Amino acid sequence: NAGVTQTPKFRVLKTGQSMTLLCAQDMNHEYMYWYRQDPGMGLRLIHYSVGEGTTAKGEVPDGYNVSRLKKQNFLLGLESAAPSQTSVYFCASSDRTRNGDEQYFGPGTRLTVT
Amino acid sequence: AQRVTQPEKLLSVFKGAPVELKCNYSYSGSPELFWYVQYSRQRLQLLLRHISRESIKGFTADLNKGETSFHLKKPFAQEEDSAMYYCALRGYGGSQGNLIFGKGTKLSVKP
Repeated sequence: NAGVTQTPKFRVLKTGQSMTLLCAQDMNHEYMYWYRQDPGMGLRLIHYSVGEGTTAKGEVPDGYNVSRLKKQNFLLGLESAAPSQTSVYFCASSDRTRNGDEQYFGPGTRLTVT
Repeated sequence: AQRVTQPEKLLSVFKGAPVELKCNYSYSGSPELFWYVQYSRQRLQLLLRHISRESIKGFTADLNKGETSFHLKKPFAQEEDSAMYYCALRGYGGSQGNLIFGKGTKLSVKP
């Protein structure tokens, strides 16, 4: 039982490049989330999904797109990376029907945009 | 507005000393509050939630509605408690029940 996994762990992009971050969970959770973590800013929600085929905007969605084609996967895309998107990205999943909606986090992806 | 405030970016204490990490919230109604912890090189994980009224790793947190606070306390800090701590509030309305995190407090326990 791997829990929540993220690929890649590290990535360096040049301004304007695109990339996709993959999050996978094997706990059959309905809810999945993408956060970014910046020094002094805490965790901010980018996008989330309440089930397969659904996505919604969080607090800081601009510059990102997401897809949830399969229940176990939640993809975060950057179409044209900017230096302001340099951050650590965390994926999380939860099941709001049980466990009081504890969110399970992935190990994070450290992204640098130069 | 629904908001979580952690006034201290960094809290440094000596081993064996009491520790209190402050968390204040802004919310209308009955809040659901959580503490998450991130140890060095580990992923973020739930430490405790107020509805459980539990003690985890010696930590407790009491919801004070009058002061709109949910401070995390431990009577005797240990070096292994050094970590980043986040207070979180379940938001409603536009937040759709998602968690709203504070900016975090880094706890450093010195030997």
